[in-house]
Amino acid sequence: EAGVAQSPRYKIIEKRQSVAFWCNPISGHATLYWYQQILGQGPKLLIQFQNNGVVDDSQLPKDRFSAERLKGVDSTLKIQPAKLEDSAVYLCASSRGGPNEKLFFGSGTQLSVL
Amino acid sequence: SQQGEEDPQALSIQEGENATMNCSYKTSINNLQWYRQNSGRGLVHLILIRSNEREKHSGRLRVTLDTSKKSSSLLITASRAADTASYFCATAAGTALIFGKGTTLSVSS
Repeated sequence: EAGVAQSPRYKIIEKRQSVAFWCNPISGHATLYWYQQILGQGPKLLIQFQNNGVVDDSQLPKDRFSAERLKGVDSTLKIQPAKLEDSAVYLCASSRGGPNEKLFFGSGTQLSVL
Repeated sequence: SQQGEEDPQALSIQEGENATMNCSYKTSINNLQWYRQNSGRGLVHLILIRSNEREKHSGRLRVTLDTSKKSSSLLITASRAADTASYFCATAAGTALIFGKGTTLSVSS
């Protein structure tokens, strides 16, 4: 089966600019996650979707980050405006269901904010 | 919020040796999972152990879970250079999977 697709692979922007990341999960996977991974740390959950509804966005900085999953398939994560501390790898993952299922990860988008 | 904490932070061994990584967590869990991440790549699922299981094997991997101590260990036997990666434990207590900070394993030939 095709894996989780993410684009772009790399992005370099200046602070205060906006950026968007795209994720296409594995076909049929109901749950989609966005994680932020800062260098040397483990992934931190930003938002979790179940189909096209938000299950958990408690750690999403909502003043600058937004995410949507239209039609319960693809998802986009946006940052506007970006700050230096947003430099990280943004990982998308999907699974068939809830936390008792294993997650399949994309390769991530590496964001550098200058 | 951080749930799992891996120990050690870094581990260097020779090919053929065994590698053991530990994970401690704070709250009750439904299951615990281990993932591997090669440099510059996404995470790959290795093994899932449910809260009512004590030990699980998959190839050269052996995972144990002690819910009374809130801890788990991952043993990689007969390590290979290709096992060089970061290893993360992740715990599911509610709706989401929360990852620890990871153990970086270096296997030299």
